Amino acid sequence: EAGVAQSPRYKIIEKRQSVAFWCNPISGHATLYWYQQILGQGPKLLIQFQNNGVVDDSQLPKDRFSAERLKGVDSTLKIQPAKLEDSAVYLCASSLGDTFSYNEQFFGPGTRLTVL
Amino acid sequence: QQQVKQSPQSLIVQKGGISIINCAYENTAFDYFPWYQQFPGKGPALLIAIRPDVSEKKEGRFTISFNKSAKQFSLHIMDSQPGDSATYFCAASMSSGYSTLTFGKGTMLLVSP
Repeated sequence: EAGVAQSPRYKIIEKRQSVAFWCNPISGHATLYWYQQILGQGPKLLIQFQNNGVVDDSQLPKDRFSAERLKGVDSTLKIQPAKLEDSAVYLCASSLGDTFSYNEQFFGPGTRLTVL
Repeated sequence: QQQVKQSPQSLIVQKGGISIINCAYENTAFDYFPWYQQFPGKGPALLIAIRPDVSEKKEGRFTISFNKSAKQFSLHIMDSQPGDSATYFCAASMSSGYSTLTFGKGTMLLVSP
């Protein structure tokens, strides 16, 4: 079974530029998550999708971050404009999406973003 | 508000020794407590998890101890091996509904040969 795919793996941009990350979840997984992992910290949830609807985006800086999950499969996370403090690893995860029990989250390898 | 506190930040253990990582949580609604292992350049991967209806869960060399009254849980790695060198994250979640994970800050474990 293929895992969660993410691209690109690395990205370096100047501050105020824009950047986009792509995620392809495990086939059949209804729930998709985007996390931000700053160096030395645990992952922090940015946004959670159930199929193509947003379940939780309470920690997403909506003035600069946006995400979409068209057709309930792939997802894109965008930052525009980027700030220095956005330097982090952006992790995508997916799970089956059964709301009656805990579903294990499977993580992709992440995209390491450096903002100069 | 940090809802899951993890310690120590880093840990060095000799091969064959016991590694112990501790976590404490605040939200009593949490009822699922997983530990994740992360190697450099990789995403976190589920290692072992526990629910609060048991005080201990063991899988091979990995054991979770859970103290519901103290709102604490810990990971014990017996017979630690160099291949266990990684960053370990505790996390907490509610087991129903949309299962959002709240992670601790992580513990970087180095097992010396």
